[in-house]
This record gives sequence, structure tokens and C-alpha cells, in this order.
Amino acid sequence: SAVISQKPSRDICQRGTSLTIQCQVDSQVTMMFWYRQQPGQSLTLIATANQGSEATYESGFVIDKFPISRPNLTFSTLTVSNMSPEDSSIYLCSVEGGVAGNTDTQYFGPGTRLTVL
Amino acid sequence: SQKIEQNSEALNIQEGKTATLTCNYTNYSPAYLQWYRQDPGRGPVFLLLIRENEKEKRKERLKVTFDTTLKQSLFHITASQPADSATYLCALGKGGGNKLTFGTGTQLKVEL
Repeated sequence: SAVISQKPSRDICQRGTSLTIQCQVDSQVTMMFWYRQQPGQSLTLIATANQGSEATYESGFVIDKFPISRPNLTFSTLTVSNMSPEDSSIYLCSVEGGVAGNTDTQYFGPGTRLTVL
Repeated sequence: SQKIEQNSEALNIQEGKTATLTCNYTNYSPAYLQWYRQDPGRGPVFLLLIRENEKEKRKERLKVTFDTTLKQSLFHITASQPADSATYLCALGKGGGNKLTFGTGTQLKVEL
């Protein structure tokens, strides 16, 4: 199983600033995913990040707002740019699983709780 | 557009009873359906996966059914315990890229 850590675990930021969230995995993985979970809502996929290529963004999410880096097979960052209170959310990274042989599953990090004032 | 619905209201049951959670979907033809557990302040944890050609899957006290005609999955926890209290999420995928679409989740509370 993969162990995933995220930094920071939580942060309070001012409107108009940017925050970079780090995701570290203890093993090499091809696909990493970034999700947003707004209060009382489900997880919404922001983008898929493969090492060595540009991230693929879902409808409603753009690179200028959520730039992603994927420098190697164990690490990725998500930046939330020019933040507004609407960006207050939990941001989660995940990796392709392989749980019980099921490659379609995912392992999730603990999340980063962001509050924008 | 795709829609995945789970009971929005919390489900409260007594310890020892069977908890049944529902996941309904529309405008979607998934290759598989997954169930995850999420505790407060934590990321989701994978529980079970059931594929479109499977009717039922079991793992210890957990059982999942998948009816592609009704577009519904039922998730059962038998002999429930207070430690089962959490939010349970269903997620659908088509494979080949591992992209998952999640439901809103149902909060389960198992009381003594």
C-alpha cells in the first residue's frame, strides 16, 4: 500500500495570495490526482498529474488558477492562486491504488484544509 | 449530466444491526463502482470494488450489490459497531485512466 503525506495540513490565508500544497508518496506511481472537497460536498477532481507531461484539468478548473507540478514519480504540488473565500476547501491528493490487486482504486492523502479570509 | 446520489441525511442505527447505504446514478455507464470510508479530517479509504458484470461482492462484514439496470448499488455493513461510524462514499469509474466520480456521501452513526 502507498503512504501519502501532504503539507501543510491546514492553513489560513488572505484573499489574493497563493498557497502551494505538497504531496509526497512513499513509492513511485505513474498517476497522481488532485481533488477538492468543499464543506458538506463530495470530492471533485481538479486534475490528473502524470510525471513528465502536463496535467490534465477537469471542466471548470484551469491551469492559471491551479498550476500543478509533477517533477518525479513520488512528488507533486498544487498551487491555489489568487485565492478568494470560495477557494476555502479541503484539497486532497491521491495515487493509483493497486489495493488487493485492483489498479482502479486510489490511495488518498490526509488532505489540506484551506481557509481563505 | 452525470449525477451520483447518496442519502444526504445521516443514518443512525443501533449496534449489532445491519446498515444499508444506497448509491444511485444517472447518465453514466460505469465499468465499476467503489465504496470508500472517510473519517473526519482524513482522506477516503478504499473498501470494496465491484465491476459491471458482478452482482455482489463481500469482504468480512461488508457486502456490496450492483444493479446496472436500476443504476444502483447497495452497501451493507452487518453486525455494525460504533467504530463503523464514518462517512461512506460511492465512486464510479470507467477504467483506463482511473478517473473516479464521487457521490456526496452518507454519514453513518452506530449507537450503543
